[in-house]
This record gives sequence, C-alpha cells and structure tokens, in this order.
Amino acid sequence: KQEVTQIPAALSVPEGENLVLNCSFTDSAIYNLQWFRQDPGKGLTSLLLIQSSQREQTSGRLNASLDKSSGRSTLYIAASQPGDSATYLCAVGDSSYKLIFGSGTRLLVRP
Amino acid sequence: GAGVSQTPSNKVTEKGKYVELRCDPISGHTALYWYRQSLGQGPEFLIYFQGTGAADDSGLPNDRFFAVRPEGSVSTLKIQRTERGDSAVYLCASSQTQLAGVADTQYFGPGTRLTVL
Repeated sequence: KQEVTQIPAALSVPEGENLVLNCSFTDSAIYNLQWFRQDPGKGLTSLLLIQSSQREQTSGRLNASLDKSSGRSTLYIAASQPGDSATYLCAVGDSSYKLIFGSGTRLLVRP
Repeated sequence: GAGVSQTPSNKVTEKGKYVELRCDPISGHTALYWYRQSLGQGPEFLIYFQGTGAADDSGLPNDRFFAVRPEGSVSTLKIQRTERGDSAVYLCASSQTQLAGVADTQYFGPGTRLTVL
C-alpha cells in the first residue's frame, strides 16, 4: 500500500529565504507526482505535475524534482514571500486517476 | 472559465440524518473525483467517475456512502444515516479526459464542510 510522508509538518521562515519541502513515498511504481497548495478553508490549487517519465518541473519561483528510485520529491521555493504562507500537499498518482496524499507541510513566511 | 463549484459550502446535520453534497465540475471535464479531508490530514480518495459511470469506488468507506453522476456532469455524494465520524471536508475535483496511462491535472473545488452533531 502506497504511503506518502511529508517532512517537516510545519515550517516558519523569514521572508526572502529559499526553502525546500520534502515528500517521500514507499512504492516507486507511480504514474505521476503532484504538488498542491491549500489556503485555510479553501480547496487545493495545483502547483506542479511531474509525470513518471520526468525528473523535474518549474513554474516561476517553484521547482519540483522527482526521484522515483529513491521514492522522493522536493519542492523548492525561491525567495519566499508572506503570500507563500499556506499548506503544501504532495500527492502521488498510483494510477492514472487516483491520488494518494501526504499530510502536508504548513508553511509560514514571516515579513 | 469557471472552476469547480461545490454546494453547500457548510452543512451541519444531526446524527442519523441523510445528506447530499453537490459538485459542478469544470465544463467539458469528463473525469470527476470525490475526496474526503479530515482535520490536519491530506485528502483521501473516495470515488472516480469517467463520464456517467463510477470507474473506481474503492475509497467509499462503507455502504452508507453513494455517489451518482447521471448526465456525466454534475455529481452528488449521498451519505445515509450520518455518523459523527463522517465529519470532514468533502472535496470534489475534475480533469479532462484521461489518456491511457497519462494523468491530467486535477482541479479542486473549495469543498463542503460537513459537521455531524
């Protein structure tokens, strides 16, 4: 059974710092990996989708990497801003449609 | 265009009652998903529709839960004889037609917060 773990559970950094969020999964036979952002009381916003054949994706200040063999993904956020404060969720696609989520990392970027 | 919408945004009910939660997917999206998110946890998969049919309902916790999508657009998640443990945020997502073996981005709605007293 696929299990997804995110470390740390919470992170507080000063504005401007570069930071890395970690995601690990137990079964390397995945279809894709997706990073989401969730604001309090809101739904999920997709940030980056990495297909199993890819190793990374970039969007603006965000870069996500995927290493299937080691069961790891990282989300790199450059030059963090207070508006980046949210919960970041990692989700592994164990089929073409089903996502298995981690519990998330709660990020606070202090002004 | 408009995103995924869900109604109601909040639902408070009493133990033992029946509830219906509605999801309007993005227009043209043939794939629709329901997830459930408990406090402090990530969403858990409940059911996946491709068109009108439930292609995978393996995540439904028991037979009190049922979902339909009769015309391949709007979906309703139905919960019978609600229990306090059903309290959670119920999220709906949609995506474009799935190509074989290739997943498309899932777009999520804001969720319905269900509280069972």
